[in-house]
Amino acid sequence: GDSVTQMEGPVTLSEEAFLTINCTYTATGYPSLFWYVQYPGEGLQLLLKATKADDKGSNKGFEATYRKETTSFHLEKGSVQVSDSAVYFCALSDSGGSYIPTFGRGTSLIVHP
Amino acid sequence: NAGVTQTPKFQVLKTGQSMTLQCAQDMNHEYMSWYRQDPGMGLRLIHYSVGAGITDQGEVPNGYNVSRSTTEDFPLRLLSAAPSQTSVYFCASSDRAGQPQHFGDGTRLSIL
Repeated sequence: GDSVTQMEGPVTLSEEAFLTINCTYTATGYPSLFWYVQYPGEGLQLLLKATKADDKGSNKGFEATYRKETTSFHLEKGSVQVSDSAVYFCALSDSGGSYIPTFGRGTSLIVHP
Repeated sequence: NAGVTQTPKFQVLKTGQSMTLQCAQDMNHEYMSWYRQDPGMGLRLIHYSVGAGITDQGEVPNGYNVSRSTTEDFPLRLLSAAPSQTSVYFCASSDRAGQPQHFGDGTRLSIL
């Protein structure tokens, strides 16, 4: 079945550092890929998405590129802020198959001033 | 824009009690789901629905019931609460397969 693997956290960075959170997936079809962010005490919210190979999703300075050849969707940001401290979830959903999305376990990001 | 609304936000129960977690969405989404989130376990799917009158089990359905009588509402019932059901519960919806999920803010449930 489908699966999503994320790097384990927590990831601890200083403000203005470069961020990479790795995400790889296995899927039988041609899934859409997502990154969600969860701030403390809140639900998950969509950060960015990509629907086909080589698509780049971007939002709030975050980017991720759908790499079919390496089955990856790594999240990057050039300069993190304290306000980016949150848990980040990689996920996939196959539009042609089951409705049920597959989530990674989440990666906690802590940004220090 | 209400989106997905969950009530209550917090609840404390005693072992053996029953209760219903409410979830409502105002986006006319067909698909709705319930997840629980526990430390180190990520999100685990409890039950889901692909439309009014249609529900199915997810990864961890035992001890929970759902029904979907309208497109808007998808309540989750705990039949006889157990300490192992202490968790944060999230409801989510989306308009079709392959589309992003919209999450509520969660219900934090403690079972004593």
